[in-house]
Amino acid sequence: DGGITQSPKYLFRKEGQNVTLSCEQNLNHDAMYWYRQDPGQGLRLIYYSQIVNDFQKGDIAEGYSVSREKKESFPLTVTSAQKNPTAFYLCASSIGPGGPEAFFGQGTRLTVV
Amino acid sequence: AQSVTQLDSQVPVFEEAPVELRCNYSSSVSVYLFWYVQYPNQGLQLLLKYLSGSTLVESINGFEAEFNKSQTSFHLRKPSVHISDTAEYFCAVSDLGDNQGGKLIFGQGTELSVKP
Repeated sequence: DGGITQSPKYLFRKEGQNVTLSCEQNLNHDAMYWYRQDPGQGLRLIYYSQIVNDFQKGDIAEGYSVSREKKESFPLTVTSAQKNPTAFYLCASSIGPGGPEAFFGQGTRLTVV
Repeated sequence: AQSVTQLDSQVPVFEEAPVELRCNYSSSVSVYLFWYVQYPNQGLQLLLKYLSGSTLVESINGFEAEFNKSQTSFHLRKPSVHISDTAEYFCAVSDLGDNQGGKLIFGQGTELSVKP
């Protein structure tokens, strides 16, 4: 079945450590996105990529980094510079920039302990 | 920059009552509009979308939304809700204007709570 796979579902990190969240899609989509979800704040765009080897910062990119070396993969690294990393992270993809619609993974819940 | 406002953070309603979840966006230039639904601890699922053509769009489970360009709104409605409709609903806009790269921007979400 085609879809987007995020792993792991739950992740615990000690303060000061970097951690990488995985996002893989087999939909042959060009565009991929990372969002952060906090209660009452909706989804905020961290980074997005319209094509392989290219990506742009979203609204809250500070403390995060991404790569897009393969069309299928768009990993997100939460660095120690991110002051409040505990959140629910969602990866999405779409056929091209702007959609026409985005497909979402099941999310990764990151908790800093 | 494009922004999306969902006017109600929580909407409690009784089963079989009608409901409207409101959504406004900031720009009337070329856009795609979406409603997504999220159940607890899950990703988002597309509920319905407006790309072009008829301004009234419908989903398979009884929801509908109307694109109003003059009011820059895309409100979601259902004439009779079920307990199973309890979830969080997100309005989203894909801005196709220059320099936007088709970014998908979300509102803050509306928590729909259907009571028996």
